[in-house]
Amino acid sequence: GAVVSQHPSRVICKSGTSVKIECRSLDFQATTMFWYRQFPKQSLMLMATSNEGSKATYEQGVEKDKFLINHASLTLSTLTVTSAHPEDSSFYICSAGGAWAEAFFGQGTRLTVV
Amino acid sequence: DQQVKQNSPSLSVQEGRISILNCDYTNSMFDYFLWYKKYPAEGPTFLISISSIKDKNEDGRFTVFLNKSAKHLSLHIVPSQPGDSAVYFCAASERVVGNEKLTFGTGTRLTIIP
Repeated sequence: GAVVSQHPSRVICKSGTSVKIECRSLDFQATTMFWYRQFPKQSLMLMATSNEGSKATYEQGVEKDKFLINHASLTLSTLTVTSAHPEDSSFYICSAGGAWAEAFFGQGTRLTVV
Repeated sequence: DQQVKQNSPSLSVQEGRISILNCDYTNSMFDYFLWYKKYPAEGPTFLISISSIKDKNEDGRFTVFLNKSAKHLSLHIVPSQPGDSAVYFCAASERVVGNEKLTFGTGTRLTIIP
């Protein structure tokens, strides 16, 4: 079946640095990918919709300058957390294929900012 | 504003018995509903879905029921197995072309007791 691969699975970074997370669709092309964030014991919150070849669409309250999204090809979207702070520590998950096709999720990335 | 709610954060069920997970929604525009299963530090995996034109969908041990008038859906797992222990999220979407966003509930942690 379709597979979405997310890398890295875990990352620890210092405050003020930037971290890039990759999301790849391995056996299908995805014009749209989604980035979610999950805090402990909370729901998956949609951060932004990544659109191949165009700007991402951010949800209300998500800082686009802080969470940079690039969808340069039909199989790769990247999320860069810029100038990371401890409050950015969270579990970030990407998905490809929307509700029409039952979204496939990546394995998630546990970001810890120290 | 939580448009999709799972009011039970946790549920324990004896192995072999039926597990019933509930989900309520407020947005009447939602017309497609999905259930996802999630293990710790992993992305969600799709379980089963239902369109608003149906009131029941069955796939093996999993059955989803939809009550549109009550804006309520439930997932039944029977018989429950230890491998079913996980967090279950319901999600909803408007199946509009160009809008594939999923809105997730807060999740229910299901524990199957051997």
